[in-house]
Amino acid sequence: AQSVTQLDSHVSVSEGTPVLLRCNYSSSYSPSLFWYVQHPNKGLQLLLKYTSAATLVKGINGFEAEFKKSETSFHLTKPSAHMSDAAEYFCVVSDRPSGGSYIPTFGRGTSLIVHP
Amino acid sequence: SQTIHQWPATLVQPVGSPLSLECTVEGTSNPNLYWYRQAAGRGLQLLFYSVGIGQISSEVPQNLSASRPQDRQFILSSKKLLLSDSGFYLCAWDTGTANTGELFFGEGSRLTVL
Repeated sequence: AQSVTQLDSHVSVSEGTPVLLRCNYSSSYSPSLFWYVQHPNKGLQLLLKYTSAATLVKGINGFEAEFKKSETSFHLTKPSAHMSDAAEYFCVVSDRPSGGSYIPTFGRGTSLIVHP
Repeated sequence: SQTIHQWPATLVQPVGSPLSLECTVEGTSNPNLYWYRQAAGRGLQLLFYSVGIGQISSEVPQNLSASRPQDRQFILSSKKLLLSDSGFYLCAWDTGTANTGELFFGEGSRLTVL
């Protein structure tokens, strides 16, 4: 079984300061990991993904995440927050038991608030 | 390129009325299809997924049902809506048997049951 925990339901930062959104996962297999962003009343957009290649993954809009197997973590970071980054962020773990299709499991989401 | 269409975007329905939300995917074949619900202030709840025509897996027993009459069409239905059915419904697809776990989402349907 797989699961994902987003450690903060809300994160508040000032514009221009670093962003850290935390995610821990568990999986019985070699998982793929994803971060999605959702702006109000919109669908989800992929920010970045880890699929067993480089452990430091760069995504869109200056975001990146590091896969740490020993810590079972996949935290999302950005050096400098922008007002447009204010949104809901979802961490997703996806593995493929018995060689079948991947079935993703979503975290509960972290709301990023950016103050001017 | 692949696209996903989901409609209607907004729906206000009385309790006890029926529901039909539709989702179609273009530009791909044999996708896996998903329906998620997002209640206010909460994460995504997987409702149904489908790996092929007529093949529906239900994750949560409830008032809703899903059907996949064509390869790239996924329909979410209810015969009688409850207040608790209110929420934001998202359709998604992936590339099927060759998927990587990445999902592609529609723009969502906001359902308000009064």
